[in-house]
Amino acid sequence: GAGVSQSPRYKVTKRGQDVTLRCDPISSHATLYWYQQALGQGPEFLTYFNYEAQPDKSGLPSDRFSAERPEGSISTLTIQRTEQRDSAMYRCASSLGRLAGGLAQTQYFGPGTRLLVL
Amino acid sequence: AQSVTQPDIHITVSEGASLELRCNYSYGATPYLFWYVQSPGQGLQLLLKYFSGDTLVQGIKGFEAEFKRSQSSFNLRKPSVHWSDAAEYFCAVGGRAGGTSYGKLTFGQGTILTVHP
Repeated sequence: GAGVSQSPRYKVTKRGQDVTLRCDPISSHATLYWYQQALGQGPEFLTYFNYEAQPDKSGLPSDRFSAERPEGSISTLTIQRTEQRDSAMYRCASSLGRLAGGLAQTQYFGPGTRLLVL
Repeated sequence: AQSVTQPDIHITVSEGASLELRCNYSYGATPYLFWYVQSPGQGLQLLLKYFSGDTLVQGIKGFEAEFKRSQSSFNLRKPSVHWSDAAEYFCAVGGRAGGTSYGKLTFGQGTILTVHP
């Protein structure tokens, strides 16, 4: 696609429910990233994919958070048993990623999904 | 570990005045450096980036930034601010390819820019 898209744009859920967020990256991009942005803060890295491989999950806050990218394109981020502290903006970004170098690593962001857990 | 500090949480300038937003980073080698802008209800838009070479980089919307290795800084500047520049600005540092942190960005906490008419 022309840019990174995310859905839904807004999600309100009750504590304890599971939610799944979706990211559709730029079509030629091999690498996809997920970030969490709390109110008044900068985005914080959660995890990333290189095609369907997920080399780094170090930023996922707990085992309630998981992400997948089964065909190396669209990715989903799932939060199980949501808690109020999970309320945040969730941002997805993609980059060319196939080559080393700054241009290949430049990340382009989607509009984000704002999650509110009541 | 890489880190970014944006010392100014909120800056107010008059339209037409010059602007400088500060960014200091910590990284073991020469990093990739980025400035992003976030307008209300919008995603993060890339303003400019530094990889290597000329330390003064030009970006979109008339912005520029200067990489100063000795000061570990990458400050964003604009000679004349427009009301439409009101937004939140984020500085970010990224590691070079290799290892498991490939491309991971570390962001500062952001600087909110208010523009007075």
